[in-house]
Amino acid sequence: QVQLVQSGAEVKKPGASVKVSCKASGYTFTTYGISWVRQAPGQGLEWMGWISAYNGNTNYAQKLQGRVTMTTDTSTSTAYMELRSLRSDDTAVYYCARGTPSGIHLYWGQGTLVTVSS
Amino acid sequence: QSALTQPRSVSGSPGQSVTMSCTGTSSDVGSYNYVSWYQQHPGKAPKLMIYDVSKRPSGVPNRFSGSKSGNTASLTISGLQAEDEADYYCCSYAGSYVVFGGGTKLTVL
Repeated sequence: QVQLVQSGAEVKKPGASVKVSCKASGYTFTTYGISWVRQAPGQGLEWMGWISAYNGNTNYAQKLQGRVTMTTDTSTSTAYMELRSLRSDDTAVYYCARGTPSGIHLYWGQGTLVTVSS
Repeated sequence: QSALTQPRSVSGSPGQSVTMSCTGTSSDVGSYNYVSWYQQHPGKAPKLMIYDVSKRPSGVPNRFSGSKSGNTASLTISGLQAEDEADYYCCSYAGSYVVFGGGTKLTVL
């Protein structure tokens, strides 16, 4: 069965960086892309971007351009999302999802809480 | 890249039908048949309920249906059940990015 398992919770200081991993299993990793979606406490879902696991092409949300980098390691079927220059409003649960560029996300990871606090 | 507009809340009694809207623009909902809907229970990951405007993934009850007219998409849930109480988010492709709605809280009375 398809599973996406994310890395554990993180606490970071403002200005630092965080890198969240998402290990996929149960399907051919390079057949689908991975989207990253975040959800601030009590707020809605926010699309952060998408990466093709086939060729590494990326689409990023405009507001995060320059601060976010999404990568994949096909040898371990793992996707990564790095967010830099963290601010308090980056505090959120970060989800990875097996997705298409058009926004179809059928399988989701369990979420990773990233807390940014001084 | 503005969020799609959804009503903050809707409600209905068990057995009734409810419809919730999702309004975008001619750059997203109005231009592409790539509208999806997600159900999220508290503390859980979202679950895909509808994709490509009106298609249901395997395992989603046919009580859930989707449609679109112009810049507005809709999700209808018929035969409401207690377990349908959740937050619902619409999502649309917009050419090189994806945008979510702010979410609608469904209360089953």
